[in-house]
Amino acid sequence: GAVVSQHPSWVICKSGTSVKIECRSLDFQATTMFWYRQFPKQSLMLMATSNEGSKATYEQGVEKDKFLINHASLTLSTLTVTSAHPEDSSFYICSARDPGGPFYNEQFFGPGTRLTVL
Amino acid sequence: KNEVEQSPQNLTAQEGEFITINCSYSVGISALHWLQQHPGGGIVSLFMLSSGKKKHGRLIATINIQEKHSSLHITASHPRDSAVYICAVLVQGAQKLVFGQGTRLTINP
Repeated sequence: GAVVSQHPSWVICKSGTSVKIECRSLDFQATTMFWYRQFPKQSLMLMATSNEGSKATYEQGVEKDKFLINHASLTLSTLTVTSAHPEDSSFYICSARDPGGPFYNEQFFGPGTRLTVL
Repeated sequence: KNEVEQSPQNLTAQEGEFITINCSYSVGISALHWLQQHPGGGIVSLFMLSSGKKKHGRLIATINIQEKHSSLHITASHPRDSAVYICAVLVQGAQKLVFGQGTRLTINP
C-alpha cells in the first residue's frame, strides 16, 4: 500500500500560538485528504475533507477559521491550529485517497501528530 | 443508533486463541475497512473489502453485503496483536469514512 507521513509526530506549544501540521503522500498523488481528531479512548472524528486546489469542506461544529487547511499540491496538505488553547490538545491524524488511482476506495492513514497545548 | 456498530467493545484473551471481532452497519457502502491502532496512536489499514473474504497472514476479514455485516478473525493470537481494531465504512456516493467505536483487544501471554 501507499505511505502517508505526518510532521511533526508530536508538538508542545504555549496557549495562543499557532501550530502547523503537515501531511504528505509519499508515493502517490492524493487528490483528497482528510483530517481527523481523536480524543483519548474515543474513535476518530472527521474534521474536514480537502480536495487539491479547492477549499476544504468542514464538518459541522469544526471552526474553519481556527483549523486552517491548505491542500496546495497533490502530495501535501497542511492543518494549522490557530491560537491554540489547551482544549485543542488532541491526536490529529490525516489520511489520503486517490480516487483516480489503483487504490480507488482505499484511504491511507498517517501516523498522527500529538498536540499538547500548555 | 450509530451507523457502524462493533462488538465486542473490549476483548481479553489468552495467547493462541482464535479471535473474532464483528462489525454491523446500516447504510449502503462502497467498501469496508478494518484498521488497527496501536497504543502509540498510528493507524494501519489491515483490509479493504467490498465483497467476500480476504486473508493476510493470521488475519482474515469477511463481509456479507446482504446482511451488512463484516468480521475480522485473528488465528493463533499473540500479545503483539493487542491493539484497538476499528471498522470503517465508505458510504455509497460519499468520500468520507464512518467509523465504528473500536474494539480494544488484549492478548495475554
